[in-house]
Amino acid sequence: AQTVTQSQPEMSVQEAETVTLSCTYDTSESNYYLFWYKQPPSRQMILVIRQEAYKQQNATENRFSVNFQKAAKSFSLKISDSQLGDTAMYFCAFMKHDQGGSEKLVFGKGTKLTVNP
Amino acid sequence: GAVVSQHPSRVICKSGTSVKIECRSLDFQATTMFWYRQFPKKSLMLMATSNEGSKATYEQGVEKDKFLINHASLTLSTLTVTSAHPEDSSFYICSARRLAGGPGEQYFGPGTRLTVT
Repeated sequence: AQTVTQSQPEMSVQEAETVTLSCTYDTSESNYYLFWYKQPPSRQMILVIRQEAYKQQNATENRFSVNFQKAAKSFSLKISDSQLGDTAMYFCAFMKHDQGGSEKLVFGKGTKLTVNP
Repeated sequence: GAVVSQHPSRVICKSGTSVKIECRSLDFQATTMFWYRQFPKKSLMLMATSNEGSKATYEQGVEKDKFLINHASLTLSTLTVTSAHPEDSSFYICSARRLAGGPGEQYFGPGTRLTVT
């Protein structure tokens, strides 16, 4: 079974600064996907970024980027130029590649990020 | 695009009664829908996966007869909590996957807060 661990229950950052959220995972799978989801106070989860395990290049989406270390099973999220709207719970998630099309996401417990003005 | 709605957003019911939660994909056809449960300060736990026109696949430990899932159309899935008890009080979130979506690309509803008195 896969597990996802987020060791930082809460973090805070000043507006315009950079913050990194940690995530580690455990799996015996060789082909899988990793995700960061954002859940703002409104509660609706939003996909922030996705990384395919077979790709060595780290994914980036505007101010969001990841540091994917496959050997270490680490998948951290870096948020640059933090904005007040980034305040949310951030969940790291794992999904194994399934030829049958199963899309089971395994989530970590989340990190509550507060961006301070 | 890719909006998922849930109704109701909040519901209070008495112990022993049943309550139905609807999940709709508003602007796309959802081949697969997922139902999650989120406890306070906890991660999302997948309850079941449903494909349109077929029986839902439940995760281990989730009672099929208690949490009835119906996915009758490509835009609607329902979760019925039968004979609800106070321990069923939780935040229920659905997500939907569209046919053309990338791996793990699930669109989440805003959630339904269920309180059983």
